[in-house]
Amino acid sequence: EAGVAQSPRYKIIEKRQSVAFWCNPISGHATLYWYQQILGQGPKLLIQFQNNGVVDDSQLPKDRFSAERLKGVDSTLKIQPAKLEDSAVYLCASSLGDRDNSPLHFGNGTRLTVT
Amino acid sequence: GEDVEQSLFLSVREGDSSVINCTYTDSSSTYLYWYKQEPGAGLQLLTYIFSNMDMKQDQRLTVLLNKKDKHLSLRIADTQTGDSAIYFCAEQDTGRRALTFGSGTRLQVQP
Repeated sequence: EAGVAQSPRYKIIEKRQSVAFWCNPISGHATLYWYQQILGQGPKLLIQFQNNGVVDDSQLPKDRFSAERLKGVDSTLKIQPAKLEDSAVYLCASSLGDRDNSPLHFGNGTRLTVT
Repeated sequence: GEDVEQSLFLSVREGDSSVINCTYTDSSSTYLYWYKQEPGAGLQLLTYIFSNMDMKQDQRLTVLLNKKDKHLSLRIADTQTGDSAIYFCAEQDTGRRALTFGSGTRLQVQP
């Protein structure tokens, strides 16, 4: 089966600019996650979707970050305006989400550098 | 709240066994996972264990769980240079099913 697809792979922007990341989950996976991984740290959950509804966005900095999953498949994550501390790898993951053991499958991530 | 801790670095010689340790705090975790991350790549699922088990073996990988002490370990037998990577331990929240990760253990395998 095809894995989780993310684009772009790399993005360099200046602070105060905006940026968007795209994710296509594994076919049939109802749950989609966006994680932020700062260099030297483990991934931290930003937002979790079940189909096209938000399950958890408690860690999403809503003054600058937004995410949507309009048709319950693809998702976009946007940052506007970006800050230096947003430099990180943004990982998208998906899972079946219909049982307790639903391993997350990750994409290769988008590496964002804010200068 | 949830917290997962790991040691930062482990160095072993090729052919030796590696043991990576992890502690977690959420006693309601149902599944615990090990992921591997190579440079520039996403996280690759290695194995997982259900919280009512104390051991799981999968080829060269052995996972041990001490639920009383909330301690998890990953043993890699006959470690190869291709095993060099960062290994993340993660606990799965029962309700939301999202994973909480540790900071990762960098495994360096010396030839």
